[in-house]
Amino acid sequence: AQSVAQPEDQVNVAEGNPLTVKCTYSVSGNPYLFWYVQYPNRGLQFLLKYITGDNLVKGSYGFEAEFNKSQTSFHLKKPSALVSDSALYFCAVRETGGYNKLIFGAGTRLAVHP
Amino acid sequence: DTAVSQTPKYLVTQMGNDKSIKCEQNLGHDTMYWYKQDSKKFLKIMFSYNNKELIINETVPNRFSPKSPDKAHLNLHINSLELGDSAVYFCASSQIAGGVGNEQFFGPGTRLTVL
Repeated sequence: AQSVAQPEDQVNVAEGNPLTVKCTYSVSGNPYLFWYVQYPNRGLQFLLKYITGDNLVKGSYGFEAEFNKSQTSFHLKKPSALVSDSALYFCAVRETGGYNKLIFGAGTRLAVHP
Repeated sequence: DTAVSQTPKYLVTQMGNDKSIKCEQNLGHDTMYWYKQDSKKFLKIMFSYNNKELIINETVPNRFSPKSPDKAHLNLHINSLELGDSAVYFCASSQIAGGVGNEQFFGPGTRLTVL
């Protein structure tokens, strides 16, 4: 069965420092991977996705993610964190099949300190 | 223009009542979803409709009944509400036909509190 793991409940970063939010996945077949962000009391916003092609995917708000097939990882990164990046981040994998069903990780809370 | 909208935003009700949440998308997508986010922020899919046809039906109590009058609308009706139904419910939409791996667009959520 497909699954997604986000091993860190919370990541703390100082503003201006690089950030990484980790995600590993388990899927049969080719993975379709997504990152979403949720600000307090808001819905999820799409950040970026990996379907095929370059392993480094660039997305919204300066975020990028690196797909690593051998390590089955899809870590979210940003070179320089902003306080406004503080939010809940979800990694998701599309379940194999035709219905675009997403399996979400448990979420990682990112706290960026001034 | 709001892409995916939900009403109401907040819903407070007594145990045993019946309530509905409405969702509309103006993105022209062919598929809509309902998710439940619990108090620990864990997000799980409940249902999905593609062109008004139910395509995903997870293990959800049959007190929950989705209805899709057309592909732009997906409503969620909940009978005999229980304390454990308290959560945030998100509607989402995406386009399946003509593409693979298309992202889902989420509504703002409906916070349901059962007293």
